[in-house]
Amino acid sequence: AQSVAQPEDQVNVAEGNPLTVKCTYSVSGNPYLFWYVQYPNRGLQFLLKYITGDNLVKGSYGFEAEFNKSQTSFHLKKPSALVSDSALYFCAVRDLNSNYQLIWGAGTKLIIKP
Amino acid sequence: EAQVTQNPRYLITVTGKKLTVTCSQNMNHEYMSWYRQDPGLGLRQIYYSMNVEVTDKGDVPEGYKVSRKEKRNFPLILESPSPNQTSLYFCASSLRGREGTGELFFGEGSRLTVL
Repeated sequence: AQSVAQPEDQVNVAEGNPLTVKCTYSVSGNPYLFWYVQYPNRGLQFLLKYITGDNLVKGSYGFEAEFNKSQTSFHLKKPSALVSDSALYFCAVRDLNSNYQLIWGAGTKLIIKP
Repeated sequence: EAQVTQNPRYLITVTGKKLTVTCSQNMNHEYMSWYRQDPGLGLRQIYYSMNVEVTDKGDVPEGYKVSRKEKRNFPLILESPSPNQTSLYFCASSLRGREGTGELFFGEGSRLTVL
């Protein structure tokens, strides 16, 4: 079955340090992968996507993600964290077997401490 | 401004009292979808619509109904709400659901409490 896992419920990072939010997936065929962010009391916002091409994808707010086919991972990264990056982050993969709907991870709460 | 608008944003109701959560988008998107968000469970899809008059069940459709009579609107109907439908609901849309890139635009959410 196709699935997405975000192994960490919460990630704590000091402001200015690099951050990584992990995502692994299991799909048949070539994956379409996405990251979304949810700020408190807001809807989700698209951050970035991987469809094909360069394994390093750049997105909004200085975030980037690295697609690793051999490790079936799509980790979200940022070189220097800001307090304003504190939010809930969701990884998602397109399910080619279910009419192209998205399968969502459970979310990772990112806390950036000053 | 391009947006997805949901109403109401907050609602407290009682078991069995029918309610409708409206969703409207102004981006001429073909695809619309409803999700519920519960702690520790992430997003679960309730229903989706690839285009006008085309709707399909998602992962958790029980207890919900939808309709897509026009492109911009996709209301979520709870005919007889129960306490297990207490949740945060999101409407989302994208240009296309099948051939598109999956980039979704979300509403601000509707927090529903069923007593």
